[in-house]
Amino acid sequence: QVQLVESGGGVVQPGRSLRLSCAASGFTFSSYAMHWVRQAPGKGLDWVAVISYDGTYKYYADSVKGRFTISRDNSKNTLYLQMNRQRGEDSAVYYCARDVLRTHQASPFDYWGQGTLVTVSS
Amino acid sequence: QSVLTQSPSVSGAPGQTITISCTGSSSNIGAGYDVHWYQQLPGTAPKLLIYDNNNRPSGVPDRFSGSKSDTSASLAITGLQAEDEADYYCQSYDSSLSGSVFGGGTKLTVL
Repeated sequence: QVQLVESGGGVVQPGRSLRLSCAASGFTFSSYAMHWVRQAPGKGLDWVAVISYDGTYKYYADSVKGRFTISRDNSKNTLYLQMNRQRGEDSAVYYCARDVLRTHQASPFDYWGQGTLVTVSS
Repeated sequence: QSVLTQSPSVSGAPGQTITISCTGSSSNIGAGYDVHWYQQLPGTAPKLLIYDNNNRPSGVPDRFSGSKSDTSASLAITGLQAEDEADYYCQSYDSSLSGSVFGGGTKLTVL
């Protein structure tokens, strides 16, 4: 069965960096676009970034553009999110989610991980 | 401030029907992009509930249905059950942002 398991969350000081990982199993990882979506405590869902099946195309929310980098290693079935220059408003549960297509075309996310919590605080 | 607008809350008694609306603009729903709906039970990850405006993934009861018109979309739940109590989010694509957008979410309370 499809499984997405995030890791790498924790407490980080403002201005510092953190890298999240999402280990995929149960499907052909290299055939799907992948997303990161975050949810601040008590708040709604906030789309962060998407990467195409082969890593060619990457798009970001304006709030993280220039600070976050999405990447993937298809040989390791793993998705990453490198988060630099972190701010308090980046504190959230970060979910990885699978797109139904190879490249994101207004398509839905059919599988989600359980999320990993990132807290930005001094 | 979410790009897609949802009412913060809705409630209904068991067996009743409720609808949740999602209002967008000419750069997302109004541009013809599909709308998808997610259900998030307390303490869990979101789950795809409706895709491409009005389609249900396998395993989703037919009590859930979706529709779309102009710059808005709606999720209807008939025969409300206690287990439907959750947060519901709409999602679409925005051409001006070149990315996905979510509604602010609607909390459903089953009385």
